[in-house]
Amino acid sequence: AQSVSQHNHHVILSEAASLELGCNYSYGGTVNLFWYVQYPGQHLQLLLKYFSGDPLVKGIKGFEAEFIKSKFSFNLRKPSVQWSDTAEYFCAVNSYNTDKLIFGTGTRLQVFP
Amino acid sequence: EPEVTQTPSHQVTQMGQEVILRCVPISNHLYFYWYRQILGQKVEFLVSFYNNEISEKSEIFDDQFSVERPDGSNFTLKIRSTKLEDSAMYFCASRDPGGANQPQHFGDGTRLSIL
Repeated sequence: AQSVSQHNHHVILSEAASLELGCNYSYGGTVNLFWYVQYPGQHLQLLLKYFSGDPLVKGIKGFEAEFIKSKFSFNLRKPSVQWSDTAEYFCAVNSYNTDKLIFGTGTRLQVFP
Repeated sequence: EPEVTQTPSHQVTQMGQEVILRCVPISNHLYFYWYRQILGQKVEFLVSFYNNEISEKSEIFDDQFSVERPDGSNFTLKIRSTKLEDSAMYFCASRDPGGANQPQHFGDGTRLSIL
């Protein structure tokens, strides 16, 4: 069965620090990969997605993620975080033959000024 | 930007009662979903719905649950005879017809509390 692991449960950073959140998935076939963000009191919003092509994808708000097929990973990065990036970040995966999303447990990011 | 809207934002219900959670998906979307998140746990898939029928459901989605698109705009989740363990955030989502790689757009969720 598909599963998604996010190893960082809670990350605390100062503004301007670099960010990398890990995401690993288990599935042998072709997958679509997503990062969603949930700001306090708001709904899940798409940050970026990967389904084919260039494994380095760029999303909104300066985020990017790299798909490394050999490592079954899709880590999220941002070179310089801002206080406004404080949120919970969810990695999710589905495949071409089933569009249900399998979510990781989420990573809570706190950025201090 | 169009949004998925869910009502109510918080529902408190006595155990054993029926509850209906409502969602208005984005208007040109054709695929609809319900997910739930029990406090402290992962967001879990419940059901997907397309062309007026269930496309896929999880093992959580047993006979206690049902979904319906009663008109051209609403998408509802009904939970019959609620149990304490049904307490969770319930999220509705929708996507356009472009394929599974199209992102699902989520509502703000309904917090369901069973007493």
